[in-house]
Amino acid sequence: GDSVTQMEGPVTLSEEAFLTINCTYTATGYPSLFWYVQYPGEGLQLLLKATKADDKGSNKGFEATYRKETTSFHLEKGSVQVSDSAVYFCALRPRGYSTLTFGKGTMLLVSP
Amino acid sequence: GAGVSQSPSNKVTEKGKDVELRCDPISGHTALYWYRQSLGQGLEFLIYFQGNSAPDKSGLPSDRFSAERTGGSVSTLTIQRTQQEDSAVYLCASSKETDSYEQYFGPGTRLTVT
Repeated sequence: GDSVTQMEGPVTLSEEAFLTINCTYTATGYPSLFWYVQYPGEGLQLLLKATKADDKGSNKGFEATYRKETTSFHLEKGSVQVSDSAVYFCALRPRGYSTLTFGKGTMLLVSP
Repeated sequence: GAGVSQSPSNKVTEKGKDVELRCDPISGHTALYWYRQSLGQGLEFLIYFQGNSAPDKSGLPSDRFSAERTGGSVSTLTIQRTQQEDSAVYLCASSKETDSYEQYFGPGTRLTVT
C-alpha cells in the first residue's frame, strides 16, 4: 500500500540555519504531495503542496520539489526562525482518491 | 469565517465506556474526514464522508468504531467499549470537494482511556 517515510526528529537548529526535512513516498501512479505543519497547541495546517512531477510548492519561505525519479518531496527553508518550531508532516493523496496518507511527523526545534 | 470545530477538546474515560466525539465542518464543505493521531503511529485515516454517498470506512480499526454524518453536516465518531489503545488525538477535517481541494483540520479531541 501507499506509504510516506520522513526523517525522525527532533531536528534541533539555531535561528537562521538551513533546514532540510527528508520525505520519500511509495505509491502507485502519481500522487499529490503535501507538507502540513502543526504548531504547538494548534491544529494541522497545509503548508505547501505539489500535484505533479517537478512542481515546486512554496509558502512562508519553505519549499519542496516533487521528484518522481527519487520519489521524494524534501522540505527546505534557507533561514529558520524560532517561530518555525513545530511538527511537520509529509503526506500524499493518490490520484483519484480523497484521503491523505501521512508520515509520522518530524519535530523541529529552533533556538535563538 | 469559522473553521472546523470539534468537541470536546479533551475527554477522559474509563476502559469499557462508550464515547462520542463531535465534528462541525466548515459550512458548505461536502467532504468530511476523521483521522487519529497517536504516539508511534502518526496520523491514520479512519473514515470519510462525501455528500450523500456511502462513507469509506476502510480505515476504522475495529467494529467498536463507527461514525455518522447527519444532514450532510455535523459528524459524530463513536467508540464503544473503549480500550487503552484507543487513547489518541482524534482529528476531523473537511474540504469543499474530494479532489484537489485542501483539507482543513479541526483542533482535535484528545481522548484518554484509563
